[in-house]
Amino acid sequence: DVQLTQSPSFLSASVGDRVTITCRASQGITGYLVWYQQKPGKAPKLLISAASTLQSGVPSRFSGSGSGTESTLTISSLQPEDFATYYCQQLNSYPPGTFGPGTRVDIK
Amino acid sequence: EVQLVQSGAEVKRPGESLTISCKTSGYSFTTHWIGWVRQMPGKGPEWMGVVYPGDSDVRYGPSFQGQVTISADKSINTAYLQWRSLKASDTAMYYCAKTDTSAYNNPFDHWGQGTLVTVSS
Repeated sequence: DVQLTQSPSFLSASVGDRVTITCRASQGITGYLVWYQQKPGKAPKLLISAASTLQSGVPSRFSGSGSGTESTLTISSLQPEDFATYYCQQLNSYPPGTFGPGTRVDIK
Repeated sequence: EVQLVQSGAEVKRPGESLTISCKTSGYSFTTHWIGWVRQMPGKGPEWMGVVYPGDSDVRYGPSFQGQVTISADKSINTAYLQWRSLKASDTAMYYCAKTDTSAYNNPFDHWGQGTLVTVSS
């Protein structure tokens, strides 16, 4: 089974900061990686699909990149509404749908 | 507007059976996979499985195969998640979600509001 790790697991940042979250897979997943944002008490929200395709309505300060075994989610200028937990998910190898452990982004 | 509306919170005892539902609208129910995601308290999401309502094809995650039953009724655009015998470890929030295309290994672009299942003696 493909295992996902995320780093960091927690980060504390200020409004306006540039934030980068990394997702690493135990084997190549070649772009079959997506990113979700989850706020407390809410369902996850799809931000980015196919490693780098921004979903409709998602602010352009969010971007994704990567291939092979590593992908990154970048928030170019952190806004107050971005404080949340971010999860990657792989959709390449069986079993599909494995989620990463999450990165919690808190206010410094 | 795409909507997925889940049934309400449940409190059950170990060994009891349970079915929760996800009523959908606003998209073609029979041409998108719809799945279930478990989120245990304080933990990340887990992909449980998906069903293709067009032909009732079901794919389960290995941890959930044999533990739950996923189904769909295309006549009323509703998906279901069923347990025959609940355990305390089934206590979690359960979300339904639809895939963004007709492929089962695609991301979930719309989600229900979640159904909290509590299993306690």
